Amino acid sequence: GESVGLHLPTLSVQEGDNSIINCAYSNSASDYFIWYKQESGKGPQFIIDIRSNMDKRQGQRVTVLLNKTVKHLSLQIAATQPGDSAVYFCAEKGQGAQKLVFGQGTRLTINP
Amino acid sequence: DGGITQSPKYLFRKEGQNVTLSCEQNLNHDAMYWYRQDPGQGLRLIYYSQIVNDFQKGDIAEGYSVSREKKESFPLTVTSAQKNPTAFYLCASSIRHSEKLFFGSGTQLSVL
Repeated sequence: GESVGLHLPTLSVQEGDNSIINCAYSNSASDYFIWYKQESGKGPQFIIDIRSNMDKRQGQRVTVLLNKTVKHLSLQIAATQPGDSAVYFCAEKGQGAQKLVFGQGTRLTINP
Repeated sequence: DGGITQSPKYLFRKEGQNVTLSCEQNLNHDAMYWYRQDPGQGLRLIYYSQIVNDFQKGDIAEGYSVSREKKESFPLTVTSAQKNPTAFYLCASSIRHSEKLFFGSGTQLSVL
C-alpha cells in the first residue's frame, strides 16, 4: 500500500551548514510531492513542491530533489539558520488520488 | 489578512462530552480538511469537503462528525464515541482539486 516514510526522525546541524532531509515513498504512481515545515504548537507551512515530471526544483535557500528510480525525495536547506529549527514533513499524492499522504516528520535542530 | 482561523487554541473535554472545533477561512477556497496529529507522528485525515453541503470520510473518521453549510466554515465535532481524542487537530483548505494545502494554527484537545 501507499506509505511515505523518513530515513531519520532527528537531524542536528551546525548553524550555517547545509541540511538534507530525506523521504522515501512506496507508491510508484505518485505524481506530486510537497514539503511542509511545522514549528512547535503551530500548523504546517508550505515550503516547496514538485511534480513527477521534474527531478529538481529550487526555492529561496531550499531545493527539492526527486529520484523516481529509487522513489526518494529530499529537501536541501542551504546555510541553515536558527529559525529553520522545526519538524519537516514530506507528503505525496498518487495520480488520481484525492488526498495527500504524510510522512512521520523529521525534527531538524540547528546548533549555534 | 487572508487565512485560516482555528478556535479555540486549547480545548478540554470531559468524559462522555461532545466538543466542537471551529475552522473558518477567508481564502475563498472550495475544499477544506481536518487532520489529526499525535505526538511524533504524521498527519492523518479525518474528513474533507470539496464543496458546500458535501463531505467525505478520511482514514480515521470514526468518532468524529462534520458539517459544511457555508464555504467559509468547516466545524469538527469530536463525539463521545471517540475514545482517544487527545491530539492536535489541524484544519486546512485548498483551491478545489489543488494538492497544496494551507493550514490553520491548530487546536490542542485534551481529556479531563
